[in-house]
Amino acid sequence: EVQLVESGGGLVQPGGSLRLSCAASGFTFSSYWMTWVRQAPGKGLEWVANIKQDGSEKYYVDSVKGRFTISRDNAKNSLYLQMNSLRAEDTAVYYCARGGSSSGWNSYWGQGTLVTVSS
Amino acid sequence: QSVLTQPPSASGTPGQWVTISCSGSSSNIGSNTVNWYQQLPGTAPKLLIHSNSQRPSGVPDRFSGSKSGTSASLAISGLQSEDEADYYCAAWDDSLIWVFGGGTKLTVL
Repeated sequence: EVQLVESGGGLVQPGGSLRLSCAASGFTFSSYWMTWVRQAPGKGLEWVANIKQDGSEKYYVDSVKGRFTISRDNAKNSLYLQMNSLRAEDTAVYYCARGGSSSGWNSYWGQGTLVTVSS
Repeated sequence: QSVLTQPPSASGTPGQWVTISCSGSSSNIGSNTVNWYQQLPGTAPKLLIHSNSQRPSGVPDRFSGSKSGTSASLAISGLQSEDEADYYCAAWDDSLIWVFGGGTKLTVL
């Protein structure tokens, strides 16, 4: 059974940092693109970033470029999102999802982890 | 303001056929495939349709997708109460990002 479990969310002050993790199981992690998608309270889905199987390609939405870094550790079956210089508008539930190449789709999603940026 | 445009709401009675539209441009829907996601209240999104019209295993054949030019549609036939959810379209954009629609809240009356 495919499982994606996010962790690392919480309350952080504006300007602060947070590192999200996503533990994957039930599939060959190193064979798939991986994606982070977020959803602000009461709002729609927003794609944040994705990363190729070997980490050689990474793409970001403009609003997080230079502040967020997506990475992965295939030996640990884990995906990460390092978030720096956090702003109030980054407050959202962050979902980890399998897949996300330019011609693909996100076939499985985690349950999400809530990040709240507030003083 | 989402790059892909969806109606904010849709509704139907049990057994009805409803459609949800998704409008984009030549750089996203016009040149790439469209995926649809269903998000039931309080849960994570779930893949409903990929590659414009393909249903993953386990998705009822009441759900179908289509694409024409720079627009796509999701159709639900034989509407059921458990279909009440938010629906999102998504497509890769040639500017090297994924774009989502703003979501459509489907109400089963």
